[in-house]
Amino acid sequence: RKEVEQDPGPFNVPEGATVAFNCTYSNSASQSFFWYRQDCRKEPKLLMSVYSSGNEDGRFTAQLNRASQYISLLIRDSKLSDSATYLCVVTLYNNNDMRFGAGTRLTVKP
Amino acid sequence: NAGVTQTPKFRVLKTGQSMTLLCAQDMNHEYMYWYRQDPGMGLRLIHYSVGEGTTAKGEVPDGYNVSRLKKQNFLLGLESAAPSQTSVYFCASSYRTDDPYEQYFGPGTRLTVT
Repeated sequence: RKEVEQDPGPFNVPEGATVAFNCTYSNSASQSFFWYRQDCRKEPKLLMSVYSSGNEDGRFTAQLNRASQYISLLIRDSKLSDSATYLCVVTLYNNNDMRFGAGTRLTVKP
Repeated sequence: NAGVTQTPKFRVLKTGQSMTLLCAQDMNHEYMYWYRQDPGMGLRLIHYSVGEGTTAKGEVPDGYNVSRLKKQNFLLGLESAAPSQTSVYFCASSYRTDDPYEQYFGPGTRLTVT
C-alpha cells in the first residue's frame, strides 16, 4: 500500500464549478500535511498547509481528518488557471521526510 | 533573486556513464533536497542536507551520491547511470523545518539513460 494515495483523475470541470480532491495516508504518526500544485512540466509549488482545524485561503479550503487519515482540498468557483496537478504531501517524522502522493490532475474548461 | 536553479535542464546518458547535477539557491537556505519524479509516482526523496558539509540518505538513495561543500550548492552524482535512473530530478531548499514550512523547488532536470 502506498503511503500517500490520491485519485489520479483527471477531473474535468467547467469554469465556476466546485471540485474536491481527497488524499489518504497510511502512517497514523504523520505530523504535517500540505497541498502542492504542479503545472505541466514545471516544479511543484506550495498551495497551502493543512491544519487540524481546517483552513481556507480564498477559493481553496483544506481539511484534515486524523481519525480517518485523510486530507481534502476543495476548490470553489474554478478558474481556467486552476488547471494543474495537485499533490498531497505528508511528513512522517519531521519536515525532512516528506512523502508525496502521485497527484490528481484537474482540467478546468471554458 | 533567482531562487533555486538547476543545471543542466536536459541530459541523455548511456548506461554506465557518470554525471553530476548541480543545484544552486540564493535564498541562504540551510536545508536542501534532491527528489526524483517518475510517472504515476509521487516525488521521492533521494538525499538531503541540513547544512554545509552534511548529507543524509532519503527514501531512494541507492546509485546516487551527494555533496554540499558550499551552503548555496547541492550536487547530485550518478557514478554509473542505469536505465532505471531515467527520471525528472528536482532540487529543493528550505529555510528551516519548523512552521511555517515550505520547500522551494528548482525547475527540474530531465535525464534519460539509454
